[in-house]
This record gives sequence, C-alpha cells and structure tokens, in this order.
Amino acid sequence: DTGVSQDPRHKITKRGQNVTFRCDPISEHNRLYWYRQTLGQGPEFLTYFQNEAQLEKSRLLSDRFSAERPKGSFSTLEIQRTEQGDSAMYLCASSLADSPADEQYFGPGTRLTVT
Amino acid sequence: AQSVTQPDIHITVSEGASLELRCNYSYGATPYLFWYVQSPGQGLQLLLKYFSGDTLVQGIKGFEAEFKRSQSSFNLRKPSVHWSDAAEYFCAVGADNQGGKLIFGQGTELSVKP
Repeated sequence: DTGVSQDPRHKITKRGQNVTFRCDPISEHNRLYWYRQTLGQGPEFLTYFQNEAQLEKSRLLSDRFSAERPKGSFSTLEIQRTEQGDSAMYLCASSLADSPADEQYFGPGTRLTVT
Repeated sequence: AQSVTQPDIHITVSEGASLELRCNYSYGATPYLFWYVQSPGQGLQLLLKYFSGDTLVQGIKGFEAEFKRSQSSFNLRKPSVHWSDAAEYFCAVGADNQGGKLIFGQGTELSVKP
C-alpha cells in the first residue's frame, strides 16, 4: 500500500493557461474525492467519483474545471483558463467503500500558483 | 446546511500540558465526525472518528474526542502534549445523505512551547 499519490506536487502557471493534475488512489478504493484548500482554510469539497462515475460536483467547480476517472482508477482534474483565484492546494482522497463513516485517505496535494 | 466551526484559529500550549481543541457542528441528524491532523508538507491524517456508540472515542497518538449531542460539539483532547504534536488540526463532518463528502472547519493551528 503506497498511499494516495498526486502529481505534480507544485505547479506554477500563468493566468489563462490550462493545467492538469493527476491523482492515483489506493488501488482497491472505489471512492475518489477532490478538495481544494486555500491558505488558512480547511479543505472544501469539489467533486467525487464512485468507480468511474462522477456522482456530485460542488458549485465551487465552475465550467472551467473538469474531472475524470477513466476505468475507475486514477483521476485527473483539469482547470482551463486559470485565474489567480484558482491558486490553492488541490487535495485528492480515496476511500474503500461508500459509507460516509469510511476513512478518507488523503494525498499530499498539488499546490497551484497562478501568476 | 451542514457547517463546522473551530472557534480557535491558533493555540499555544507548553509541552507536557493538556490540550483541548474545540469543534462545533451544525447538522440536523446524527453526523459522522472526524478529526484530521495536517503537518507542513504532509497530507491530512485521520486521528479519530465518531459515527455511533460510545461517545468518547480514542484515536491515534494519544488523542481522544467526546461527542456531545446536546452541545453539538466534538472536542479533541490530549492529556500531555508533545513537541511533535505541533500541526494544523481540522474537524470535519459527514452524513449519509452527503455521499461521503466531508465538510471541514477552518482549522486550529497548534504551537507547542518547550
């Protein structure tokens, strides 16, 4: 068990560029979550997948954001036409089953800086 | 709507002293409650969770938390703090009708004085 991994760990981009982040969950986990964390705040839910199906999207996820989980394994989060307000830590988490009591295991995050 | 409040943004305690971090939640039914710890450069790590049964739950690293329904609270405690406990602590709530997503408080930063 290597835990949840995220790539890249840091990304600096210019405003208007597109960026894509990858998350590899723990291999047998069915659920995969994306959260965003800004400085001095707790993580905020963005979206989650049950296997390959995207089941919910927060209204924080504007139409510039898209997430996929092809084949129910790794997931990608893409931000198009980045804005300075997108600067944040993007966290991925996975859990084994669909009980809300199930522990979510978090990755180390991808820190995005938009200049 | 569900919400979580951590009233203390920053707490400083002396090493060896006791610790209590406050968490209040707003939710209509019985929630699932969690405490996570985040160290610089590290991912969030689960300390403990409550979803039913005994209202006093034990976690890792010597932490415990007590669920008090009447006060809508889930405070985190530790009898003797170690310097390595310095970190950011987050309380979170989940629910059956929320698909497993967690609502987090804004966090409490803990500093430990030698």
